[in-house]
Amino acid sequence: NAGVTQTPKFQVLKTGQSMTLQCAQDMNHNSMYWYRQDPGMGLRLIYYSASEGTTDKGEVPNGYNVSRLNKREFSLRLESAAPSQTSVYFCASSVEFQGNQPQHFGDGTRLSIL
Amino acid sequence: AQKVTQAQTEISVVEKEDVTLDCVYETRDTTYYLFWYKQPPSGELVFLIRRNSFDEQNEISGRYSWNFQKSTSSFNFTITASQVVDSAVYFCARAGTYKYIFGTGTRLKVLA
Repeated sequence: NAGVTQTPKFQVLKTGQSMTLQCAQDMNHNSMYWYRQDPGMGLRLIYYSASEGTTDKGEVPNGYNVSRLNKREFSLRLESAAPSQTSVYFCASSVEFQGNQPQHFGDGTRLSIL
Repeated sequence: AQKVTQAQTEISVVEKEDVTLDCVYETRDTTYYLFWYKQPPSGELVFLIRRNSFDEQNEISGRYSWNFQKSTSSFNFTITASQVVDSAVYFCARAGTYKYIFGTGTRLKVLA
């Protein structure tokens, strides 16, 4: 019963390197999300995909791109990593893109940019 | 921005004490939803409860209870007879039609 699976769990990058964080869900959910969690900031939405084939910016999209590869998979790409992107990244999914839907989260990816 | 405020950054209690985590939200929506999530030391976020703006009934689930008061825009969470396994960061969130706004979280430490 995997739910939402994120890979990798940990990563260290150098400034300027690129990286893709992978996320897959096996719950047949339509909507998927990427958040970042920083100390004292809570979770902030980076990008979301309301349904397969659509993606939209969230609160803090600068420096990131996303791809909704299919219904199951939603990846987050850092094209040129910066130290300000050091954070814990969470992928989440929900049945539909509606505010009444609980979101189901992955275990997170801890990313450090040196 | 319509904020969610969790003013308590960190709370420490001794096992078996009761503890209340505060959540105050701002909204201009008539219909909205409130959530609590738990983030244990292992890191994942676990959904605990959802309430909608039309249902102010308090809810109890075992040692957990939630008090929703529209008049004060609050959705507080009480753990009765706390246990060490309750140690975690707890997030309150509000959603309107679509997206969530999370609070900054309250770290609860339950000491044996």
